[in-house]
This record gives sequence, structure tokens and C-alpha cells, in this order.
Amino acid sequence: SQTIHQWPATLVQPVGSPLSLECTVEGTSNPNLYWYRQAAGRGLQLLFYSVGIGQISSEVPQNLSASRPQDRQFILSSKKLLLSDSGFYLCAWRGQGFSEQYFGPGTRLTVT
Amino acid sequence: AQSVTQLDSQVPVFEEAPVELRCNYSSSVSVYLFWYVQYPNQGLQLLLKYLSGSTLVKGINGFEAEFNKSQTSFHLRKPSVHISDTAEYFCAVSDQGGGSYIPTFGRGTSLIVHP
Repeated sequence: SQTIHQWPATLVQPVGSPLSLECTVEGTSNPNLYWYRQAAGRGLQLLFYSVGIGQISSEVPQNLSASRPQDRQFILSSKKLLLSDSGFYLCAWRGQGFSEQYFGPGTRLTVT
Repeated sequence: AQSVTQLDSQVPVFEEAPVELRCNYSSSVSVYLFWYVQYPNQGLQLLLKYLSGSTLVKGINGFEAEFNKSQTSFHLRKPSVHISDTAEYFCAVSDQGGGSYIPTFGRGTSLIVHP
């Protein structure tokens, strides 16, 4: 069966510090991968998606970036965090030929 | 372009009462429709999906939804709710045939079940 992991689960970082959030998927090949952010009390905002290794599409221009160094690994990064980067970050995957997404457990990021 | 409107931001209901969470969408092409549930501090979990065929779709935890093409709606229902159903519910739509299958999500409806 397929499993999606995200780490860390929670993170508290000062303004201006770097960020690296990791997402890995098990039990599937060549998935589409997605990064979402959920601000407090708000809906989902798509940040990046990837249809293959090294292929990243950005939906929202900001100080975040994403990379996909391996087929089932998706990394969200920032060189300098802003207060507005605080939120709940969700990784999701979709299998080839399937319509629905499956979400990871999320990372709660607080920028202080 | 698609859009999804969840008409109620919050729905309070008593335990064992029926509930309906409303979702309307707009799209110029045929769509897939989804409902997800999110418990506090967790990721989203797929409740049910409509791809084609029967317009009444049954999902997990006793939930069902009905696709109404003429009204462009996909309302979620449960005949008798439990305290444990308290969560955020998201409706989502994606175009059929879109290679990246990027869904558009509604802003969510908070279901609050009171004892």
C-alpha cells in the first residue's frame, strides 16, 4: 500500500532563517507531487507541483522554492523565512491514472 | 477555470441529527468531484469521489454525496452524525483530462457536532 511521510511534524524558526521540509512517498512510482500551505482558518493554497524528477511548477511567486531530487521525494525550501510563511504545510501525491490526491500528515511551521 | 463555493463556513448540529454540507462549482468542462475531511492538526483524508456513473456516491464513515449536473452541486450528507465527525470538510473539483489534475478546493466548512 502507498504511504506518504512528512517531516518534521512541527517546526519553530526565527525570521530570516532557512527552511527545509521533506516529503516522501512509498509504494508508488512516478507520482505527481504537490505542496500546499494552509494558513490559520483558511483554505488550501497550492504552492508547487511536480510531474516528474526535476520538473517543478510554481503557482505562487514568493520566497519559497521546491525541488524533486528523486522520484518519490519532494522538498520545500526557503533561504530566509518571513513571518507570513507561518502555516500548516501539506504534501500530497496523485498516482498515474488516478484522479484523487492523498495527503501527508502535515508540518506545522511557526516563524517567530 | 474552475471555482468551488462552500456555502457555509460553519455548520453546528446536535449529535444523531442529519447534516448536509453544501458545495457548488463552476466549470466549462466535465469535472471530477471530491470531498475531503481534515481533523485538527492532520492532513486531508478522502471521503468520497465522483468520477462518472451513478450520481449518488457513498463514502467512508457513513457519508454520501449527490452530483447534480444541472445545479452544478455536490452536497455532502450524513443521516446521523457523531461527535467524532467534528472536523473541517473540503469540497474539490478538477477538470477531467487535465494532465496535472490540479484540483480547486473550496474554503472549507467546519462541522461542529454538539452532544
